Amino acid sequence: DGGITQSPKYLFRKEGQNVTLSCEQNLNHDAMYWYRQDPGQGLRLIYYSQIVNDFQKGDIAEGYSVSREKKESFPLTVTSAQKNPTAFYLCASSIRGEGVNPPQHFGDGTRLSIL
Amino acid sequence: QKEVEQNSGPLSVPEGAIASLNCTYSDRGSQSFFWYRQYSGKSPELIMFIYSNGDKEDGRFTAQLNKASQYVSLLIRDSQPSDSATYLCAVDGEPTDKLIFGTGTRLQVFP
Repeated sequence: DGGITQSPKYLFRKEGQNVTLSCEQNLNHDAMYWYRQDPGQGLRLIYYSQIVNDFQKGDIAEGYSVSREKKESFPLTVTSAQKNPTAFYLCASSIRGEGVNPPQHFGDGTRLSIL
Repeated sequence: QKEVEQNSGPLSVPEGAIASLNCTYSDRGSQSFFWYRQYSGKSPELIMFIYSNGDKEDGRFTAQLNKASQYVSLLIRDSQPSDSATYLCAVDGEPTDKLIFGTGTRLQVFP
């Protein structure tokens, strides 16, 4: 079964702690994305990667970091510098587009809360 | 800064009716348009995507794109209570290899 797996489903962060959210896909997609969704809000892009070993900042990258060492994996670290981390975090992936954006497909998400 | 606007709703329609959801966008050069359905507490699910002016149909769903007027619509025919969800519109961002999402329209279909 092809898909995008995010883990854990729920995560709690203590003050001053870094936490890492996992995102793995077996769709053979080149592009991967991380979004944050706050209640009643649309999705805001944190980081994205079109190819292994390369990634770009999105609109709200401050306080977050990513790596893309493997095509299948795009982990997101929420650092202690992110002062308001409570949100629903969504990972997505797509094929690489040529001229137009291809559809993005989402994992089930991780809910992060502060203890 | 590119923008995508949606009426937050709720849009209430009776079962069996046509639900019409609208989205406007700010950049005349946008090329890619997507509709996602999001149930409460769940992740977004792709419903439709459209790249060319006109209509694109898939089952009970029709996406309508009008680039001259800078809007994209989603029509849901024979609406069912199971269609009750928030519908997110997404359009090319800047740079164009990313998407900008609207805040969504909440649809309620009552029996």
